[in-house]
Amino acid sequence: DTGVSQNPRHKITKRGQNVTFRCDPISEHNRLYWYRQTLGQGPEFLTYFQNEAQLEKSRLLSDRFSAERPKGSFSTLEIQRTEQGDSAMYLCASSPGVQANEKLFFGSGTQLSVL
Amino acid sequence: AQRVTQPEKLLSVFKGAPVELKCNYSYSGSPELFWYVQYSRQRLQLLLRHISRESIKGFTADLNKGETSFHLKKPFAQEEDSAMYYCALSGGTSYDKVIFGPGTSLSVIP
Repeated sequence: DTGVSQNPRHKITKRGQNVTFRCDPISEHNRLYWYRQTLGQGPEFLTYFQNEAQLEKSRLLSDRFSAERPKGSFSTLEIQRTEQGDSAMYLCASSPGVQANEKLFFGSGTQLSVL
Repeated sequence: AQRVTQPEKLLSVFKGAPVELKCNYSYSGSPELFWYVQYSRQRLQLLLRHISRESIKGFTADLNKGETSFHLKKPFAQEEDSAMYYCALSGGTSYDKVIFGPGTSLSVIP
């Protein structure tokens, strides 16, 4: 499967623990996005990268959230000191990153449950 | 600020009836508009984008800059159209992010 891959598929953690998710985009896709989606809502923008550069981080995002894309390939999203409100589906998407109207390719997401 | 609204959370239509899913946006420049769809147990995927002026699975959408709308239409709904539909917007440059609306759940009644 050459699509966007996200691991793990599910993560259950206790409040206060740190969690890290991984996203492997489609090969040679320069643009990589992280979104968060809760039940009944659309994907909420978190951050995005062009190659290894983080272009923007949502102002709504707490300092407990950090994302990296060290070599411009895979990306990790870390949440420190998790809270119950962090429970959501975390989606990753990638695109070639060349034009304005490009199609985003989504992964299956990581479902986070904070107990 | 960029914003996408979809006024209907749920929409039910009978098979064979016309369907229209509404999308309105706010953006100061010339945006790129998209419709994404998520079928049950599948990934979010692109349905169509306004720049392509294409018809996918019988769906079309027209960008109305005066009304800042990008409504999705299909003349005859099919059961397989039942899904979540998200309207999305991006700015006019390759560096602009894509933001999504809250989504409309379409249910086609046999």
